[in-house]
Amino acid sequence: DIQMTQSPSSLSASVGDRVTITCRASQSITSYLNWYQQKPGKAPKLLIYTASSLQSGVPSRFSGSGSGTDFTLTISSLQPEDFATYYCQQSYSTPFTFGPGTKVDIK
Amino acid sequence: QVQLVESGGGLVKPGGSLRLSCAASGLTFSDYYMSWIRQAPGKGLEWVSYISSSGSTTYYADSVKGRFTISRDNAKNSLYLQMNSLRAEDTAVYYCASSFLAAPSEDWGQGTLVTVSS
Repeated sequence: DIQMTQSPSSLSASVGDRVTITCRASQSITSYLNWYQQKPGKAPKLLIYTASSLQSGVPSRFSGSGSGTDFTLTISSLQPEDFATYYCQQSYSTPFTFGPGTKVDIK
Repeated sequence: QVQLVESGGGLVKPGGSLRLSCAASGLTFSDYYMSWIRQAPGKGLEWVSYISSSGSTTYYADSVKGRFTISRDNAKNSLYLQMNSLRAEDTAVYYCASSFLAAPSEDWGQGTLVTVSS
């Protein structure tokens, strides 16, 4: 199975900050990397698919990059509604494993 | 818009069985792959299973293989997860999710809680 790691596991940031979350795969997954946002008590929401494609309806302050084993989710200017946990997921091969998550909270 | 509504969760004893359902609307159900993804209390996400749009292809995580069975009824716009030989570690919120391919999961239900405890 492909193992996914994320760093940091949590971070504190202020509204307006630029935030970067890193995801690493245990082997190359080319660009088959997705990012989800989850708020407490809610279902996850797809933000980015195939590493850098923005899901319809997702604000443009979210962006993704990377290929192979190293990927990044960037929030260009953090908004109050962005405080949540973010998960990466590889869809290169089954099982479609998720990273452990990065919790973004208010500084 | 797409709506996915899970049902069937509850409290079950270890070794017991439960059948989850997911009712879909707002999409051409027979065009979409469907998945079950779970989240143990306070933990991260774990992909459990998916089924192709026609139902001809299924995949399972090793943790549930041989115990869980995914199925669908395209005439009823419904997805199912039959869970047998349940264990304490199966305790989680179970989400159904739709996708045009096997992944990523584009739309999610609100989840249904399964608790396995004596």
